[in-house]
Amino acid sequence: AQSVAQPEDQVNVAEGNPLTVKCTYSVSGNPYLFWYVQYPNRGLQFLLKYITGDNLVKGSYGFEAEFNKSQTSFHLKKPSALVSDSALYFCAVRDLNAGNNRKLIWGLGTSLGVNP
Amino acid sequence: SAVISQKPSRDICQRGTSLTIQCQVDSQVTMMFWYRQQPGQSLTLIATANQGSEATYESGFVIDKFPISRPNLTFSTLTVSNMSPEDSSIYLCSVEGPQGLDTEAFFGQGTRLTVV
Repeated sequence: AQSVAQPEDQVNVAEGNPLTVKCTYSVSGNPYLFWYVQYPNRGLQFLLKYITGDNLVKGSYGFEAEFNKSQTSFHLKKPSALVSDSALYFCAVRDLNAGNNRKLIWGLGTSLGVNP
Repeated sequence: SAVISQKPSRDICQRGTSLTIQCQVDSQVTMMFWYRQQPGQSLTLIATANQGSEATYESGFVIDKFPISRPNLTFSTLTVSNMSPEDSSIYLCSVEGPQGLDTEAFFGQGTRLTVV
């Protein structure tokens, strides 16, 4: 069955330190992978995606993510965290073998707190 | 990208009543999606709304409870019928571009519903 796991409910880092938000996935075929961020009382905003090509993808607000096929992971990273990065982060996957089923499979979310 | 306007942004409703949520997109899209999200939790897909056809509901969601309209390629409504406190949640409208499975989703800002 298709699934996405975000093993950490909460991640806390100090401002200026690097941050990592973890995501692993399970699909039957090749995945399309996405990261979204949700600020308080807001809808979700797209950060970045992996479709094909370079395993390291760069996105909005200085975020990047590395696709690792052998570990079935797509961890979100940022070299230097900002207090304004504090938000809820969601990983999502779409299975290319799902045919006409476009449904995104969502992780449970990770709350990132950046301390000044 | 797509700009999505969702109304109302929040509402407090009496149990037993119904609320209709509107979703307006600034461009024509084939597929629109309705999600439910408990505050701080992950997204649960309610249904997929295609213009000119009946909405496709996910397991656990039925048309009588969540009727959906999709009169044209830029607009959709979701009605939460005969509400109970268990329906208190955030409801999100989402669209995807026409490019294919590699396209990201865009979200409205959500409707925060409280049923009393």
